[in-house]
Amino acid sequence: EVQLVESGGGLVKPGGSLRLSCAASGFTFSSYSMNWVRQAPGKGLEWVSSISSSSSYIYYADSVKGRFTISRDNAKNSLYLQMNSLRAEDTAVYYCARDRYPYGDSGFDYWGQGTLVTVSS
Amino acid sequence: NFMLTQPHSVSESPGKTVTISCTRSSGSIASNYVQWYQQRPGSAPTTVIYEDNQRPSGVPDRFSGSIDSSSNSASLTISGLKTEDEADYYCQSYDSSNVVFGGGTKLTVL
Repeated sequence: EVQLVESGGGLVKPGGSLRLSCAASGFTFSSYSMNWVRQAPGKGLEWVSSISSSSSYIYYADSVKGRFTISRDNAKNSLYLQMNSLRAEDTAVYYCARDRYPYGDSGFDYWGQGTLVTVSS
Repeated sequence: NFMLTQPHSVSESPGKTVTISCTRSSGSIASNYVQWYQQRPGSAPTTVIYEDNQRPSGVPDRFSGSIDSSSNSASLTISGLKTEDEADYYCQSYDSSNVVFGGGTKLTVL
């Protein structure tokens, strides 16, 4: 059974940093691109970042470019999101999500349960 | 860059059919696959349609997807509405290698 479990969320002050993790199991993690998607309270889904299976290709939304860094450790079946210079508008539930197929743009088929990040003084 | 525009909300009665639109602001809707996600309160999204019109296993055939090049839009149609279909629905596509979500549509089944 495919499972994605996020952790690392919490309360952080503006300008602070946080590192999110996503532990993957039940599939060959090293074969799939992975993604972070966030959802501010009461708002819609917003794509944050994507990373290819071998970390060769990395993409960010303009809203987080230069502040967030996505990475993965295929030996540990884990996905990460390092978030620096956090702002109030980064407050959201952060989901990790798996690409449906190892190749191609066909959306996401598995999502984690999400971890809440709150940026507030 | 393009946007995907959805109606903020739709409502319909049980047993009826509802269609949710998703209009691409620039570029062809057929250029990239469109996915549809259902999200119930307090839960992560799940896929109801991928690759424009494909249903994942376990999704009832009451859910269907299509694209229309003339209106440059995608549509999610749910027939035989059930109260359990009440949820937020998001369309999603790609802009080069960036992921684009629509703003979401709240479906009320009353």
